Amino acid sequence: AQKITQTQPGMFVQEKEAVTLDCTYDTSDPSYGLFWYKQPSSGEMIFLIYQGSYDQQNATEGRYSLNFQKARKSANLVISASQLGDSAMYFCAMREVNTGGFKTIFGAGTRLFVKA
Amino acid sequence: DVKVTQSSRYLVKRTGEKVFLECVQDMDHENMFWYRQDPGLGLRLIYFSYDVKMKEKGDIPEGYSVSREKKERFSLILESASTNQTSMYLCASSFASGRGEQYFGPGTRLTVT
Repeated sequence: AQKITQTQPGMFVQEKEAVTLDCTYDTSDPSYGLFWYKQPSSGEMIFLIYQGSYDQQNATEGRYSLNFQKARKSANLVISASQLGDSAMYFCAMREVNTGGFKTIFGAGTRLFVKA
Repeated sequence: DVKVTQSSRYLVKRTGEKVFLECVQDMDHENMFWYRQDPGLGLRLIYFSYDVKMKEKGDIPEGYSVSREKKERFSLILESASTNQTSMYLCASSFASGRGEQYFGPGTRLTVT
């Protein structure tokens, strides 16, 4: 079974609008971490934001926020006030602390296009 | 800033050749990883290393080997390249403690003809 599911292969958003990229995950490990990474066309993956399974509040980093719904096992990325430079591939990822050790599992990614 | 560098951005090799991909990080990270990235499949872990001379197989180790003789350097070896190993290869590193976020190199696009 897929552990990380990103159901949106591609998304379009108008510049300056907010966009939500979906991510659902599956794990039986009570201790896990969720990550979002951005991959511009240059190829280098960039870490954006982290949410721990025991964190009470949703993570935020500048224009990025993570909508963490633990019971639904979802960890959606919200980008506010989209910019042209946000056009990229976005990957959701999970690390299962007890059962997975250092391994991180990645989803298939969502390609975001920001329109001027 | 964390810096992860990879020896080549683009590489073209022939079937059967031995291929070396090198990765160097400058942040004293304990963990290093090799992934391959294919469209629609995300990143798949080939091997990782949590210490010098230590390695563990990832999800798709067949056809690959690795070497970590120094903490900062992690090499991926294709013993006999095949066309189905044409892919983007990404190296990453992370600390052994903390959140575990990974820092990536720019990637090597390998084409095997």
